[in-house]
Amino acid sequence: DAGITQSPRHKVTETGTPVTLRCHQTENHRYMYWYRQDPGHGLRLIHYSYGVKDTDKGEVSDGYSVSRSKTEDFLLTLESATSSQTSVYFCAISVSGFIGELFFGEGSRLTVL
Amino acid sequence: RKEVEQDPGPFNVPEGATVAFNCTYSNSASQSFFWYRQDCRKEPKLLMSVYSSGNEDGRFTAQLNRASQYISLLIRDSKLSDSATYLCVVNNNNNDMRFGAGTRLTVKP
Repeated sequence: DAGITQSPRHKVTETGTPVTLRCHQTENHRYMYWYRQDPGHGLRLIHYSYGVKDTDKGEVSDGYSVSRSKTEDFLLTLESATSSQTSVYFCAISVSGFIGELFFGEGSRLTVL
Repeated sequence: RKEVEQDPGPFNVPEGATVAFNCTYSNSASQSFFWYRQDCRKEPKLLMSVYSSGNEDGRFTAQLNRASQYISLLIRDSKLSDSATYLCVVNNNNNDMRFGAGTRLTVKP
């Protein structure tokens, strides 16, 4: 158990509304990631963080922003949700510092109507 | 063309069977390789890393063929609990991890 919790676990919202997903870790790991998973696609990296206030874009960052003001929290924000952002969102951390070994949170299922 | 491709399956096998999955990747500069397992509606979990020389962990064997740009996962003596989706993951450069869409395995009694 890598001590990752995501909230909310499920959310239904309407197009155009802002949404923030939270990822919380208890073990002060440096690297944190946000992925989305859609049918027929592998997990795709949205944004990642390599320290407090240090973030970078991933493969599918358009329409998303992130913030990391504390080591333990990594927030993903959809400023104006669209139906194409309906997905399952996973937060992950790298525990060993070796990037390939990721531990994931349980996921946040977002539906945008 | 997707950067990491897997046969989506499903592979339906009886208990005790041996089953193998392949995964191909397009970036010849890819540096490291992994198999993850994902149960239905759960998060992915690391199954094993894939080393150039091949590696084994109990009933699971992973192999890498850099020349042909594919990795494989072999499961021997399949158990009901092996039923899951297996994700192939390729690390191009530090945080550039690319996931395949997964291969679904169902092991039947």
